[in-house]
Order: sequence, then C-alpha cells, then structure tokens
Amino acid sequence: GQQVMQIPQYQHVQEGEDFTTYCNSSTTLSNIQWYKQRPGGHPVFLIQLVKSGEVKKQKRLTFQFGEAKKNSSLHITATQTTDVGTYFCAASSGGSYIPTFGRGTSLIVHP
Amino acid sequence: NAGVMQNPRHLVRRRGQEARLRCSPMKGHSHVYWYRQLPEEGLKFMVYLQKENIIDESGMPKERFSAEFPKEGPSILRIQQVVRGDSAAYFCASSLTSGTSGGAWREQFFGPGTRLTVL
Repeated sequence: GQQVMQIPQYQHVQEGEDFTTYCNSSTTLSNIQWYKQRPGGHPVFLIQLVKSGEVKKQKRLTFQFGEAKKNSSLHITATQTTDVGTYFCAASSGGSYIPTFGRGTSLIVHP
Repeated sequence: NAGVMQNPRHLVRRRGQEARLRCSPMKGHSHVYWYRQLPEEGLKFMVYLQKENIIDESGMPKERFSAEFPKEGPSILRIQQVVRGDSAAYFCASSLTSGTSGGAWREQFFGPGTRLTVL
C-alpha cells in the first residue's frame, strides 16, 4: 500500500522559533491534507492542497505541495504555546478515497 | 449544527467481553470512516461506510471486528472477545461525499474518539 513518511517525529522549539514538518511519498499524490491534533484531542482539518507547487497560508502557517506532488511541508513562523500538538499529513493517490495518514510530528513549544 | 458525536468517550472492558462503539456523523453527512490510533502513532484506516453499505473494510481485522451504518441510527464499530492489544483510541470521521471533485477529496470531520481500555 501507499506509504507516507512524515518527519521529524518530535520537535522541541522555544516559543518564537520557527517549525517545519515534512511529508514524503514515493508515489505521485492526488492531493494532501493537513490535520492538527491537540494532546488528548481529535484531529482537526487544517487545509487541503491539490495543485502542483501550490502554496497556501493561514496566518503563521504556510503549506506547500511539491512540484512533483510527492512531498509537502507545513511551516509555522514564530511558534506560540497554542501551536502545541501533533500535525498529521493525509494523502491519497490514484483516485483512492481512503487517505493514508503519516505518523505525525509532535510539536512541543517551550515558553 | 452539532459535530461528529461518539460515545462512549471512555470504555473499559475485560478480556473476552464485547466493545460497542457508536458514531453519529455530522448532519447531512452520509459517509463514515473509522480509524484506530495507538499512543504516539498515526491514524490507521479501518473501514469506510455509507448508509447500509460497507464500501471498504480493507483496514479492519478479519476476525472479531465488524462495522455497520444502518439506515437509521449511528454507525457501530463492534469488537468481539476483546484482547489487550485492542486498547486504543478509535475515531470516526464523516464527510459530505466521498471520492474526488476536481482532484480534491472532501475533508473529514473527526469525532472526539472513544478510548478503549482492555484489562
């Protein structure tokens, strides 16, 4: 089945530092979604990327979809303690309606 | 407009008992997905259902696990003769439609999950 690799698994930052998580696939993706899960909570949809090279921004969050549609990244500028949580990418390919989730990157922000 | 509802939120069972997890999708959503999440791991797809139909159960163990989404009422994930390895968080998600439209598939709205502990 499709594999989606997400790195790093954990990231500790000081409040105010930037943070990036990466999602990689060996196959070309149809689209990719990003979710955030707070500790003890449930995944919450953040954004969806569809087009090659697409870049979308939500305040301090920047999402990118690679030109080859095989990788994606989520970048947070000037992290805040409210950014704490695990960020998951979910991808599908070949018209499949079943998304494959990455293992997630857990962000820990130290005040 | 209520979101996805799951109950119970926490469920404790002894080995060999049955666990029954319920999921009510968002109003107007007819597509339900069940996922399992182990501590510090990602979400593992289990089963995808529409009303009265199982569309894809490729992620669900062949034995002891079953799922349904009846015409009326919530979707049910049933685990018979639970074992300690079944302890996990089980999330359901719903979407408005399935498949893709112009390359974009519908976002999924997740419920709060059921934390199953098997003693």
